[in-house]
Amino acid sequence: SQQGEEDPQALSIQEGENATMNCSYKTSINNLQWYRQNSGRGLVHLILIRSNEREKHSGRLRVTLDTSKKSSSLLITASRAADTASYFCATGLLRSNAGGTSYGKLTFGQGTILTVHP
Amino acid sequence: GAGVSQSPRYKVAKRGQDVALRCDPISGHVSLFWYQQALGQGPEFLTYFQNEAQLDKSGLPSDRFFAERPEGSVSTLKIQRTQQEDSAVYLCASSLVWAAKTLAYEQYFGPGTRLTVT
Repeated sequence: SQQGEEDPQALSIQEGENATMNCSYKTSINNLQWYRQNSGRGLVHLILIRSNEREKHSGRLRVTLDTSKKSSSLLITASRAADTASYFCATGLLRSNAGGTSYGKLTFGQGTILTVHP
Repeated sequence: GAGVSQSPRYKVAKRGQDVALRCDPISGHVSLFWYQQALGQGPEFLTYFQNEAQLDKSGLPSDRFFAERPEGSVSTLKIQRTQQEDSAVYLCASSLVWAAKTLAYEQYFGPGTRLTVT
């Protein structure tokens, strides 16, 4: 089952505009990650924010995390046609198996399809 | 160095046939994950290996699905007696091991194997 719910399901903007995508989740997390997927490059990691962080920047990307509301947002500024892709949030949680070995596990949302028109 | 590779990239199987999907992770990555991605959905977790140990197979849909990583590097996902509902893209990802709440790593994904069962 997928934990993250992303909003909107699809977003269409013009080049140069900003794009904002939201992700809500249900259970506690240790971190939240955003990934991008397009046919050319497959699924690629964009940014990771830990549960004790509220905001993080990487180039044109800005991610916020509100653990009290169980939500995150991804902002892409000054979008380009090359940003056209599907964007997924993934919640990360440290798990332990029956033998007591810890490992990190990601649960992905259903994604937002972003189209940037030149 | 090279990224995660998967083979074959495309596989067409007749219903009832067995298939084997291969994943070559990034050298040195202890963690290996398999995901199933249906059209228009986010990746769904199938199973996780830490070295050769399969620590979590909670996402495998049925006992027709079997995964192994005998020497802690290359992994194979096998699907026996394929059904039409098995049609999907199967993604493999590898990462450094994440075993503490504040220490998390991104996952590196392969291009996927698109399985079509006819």
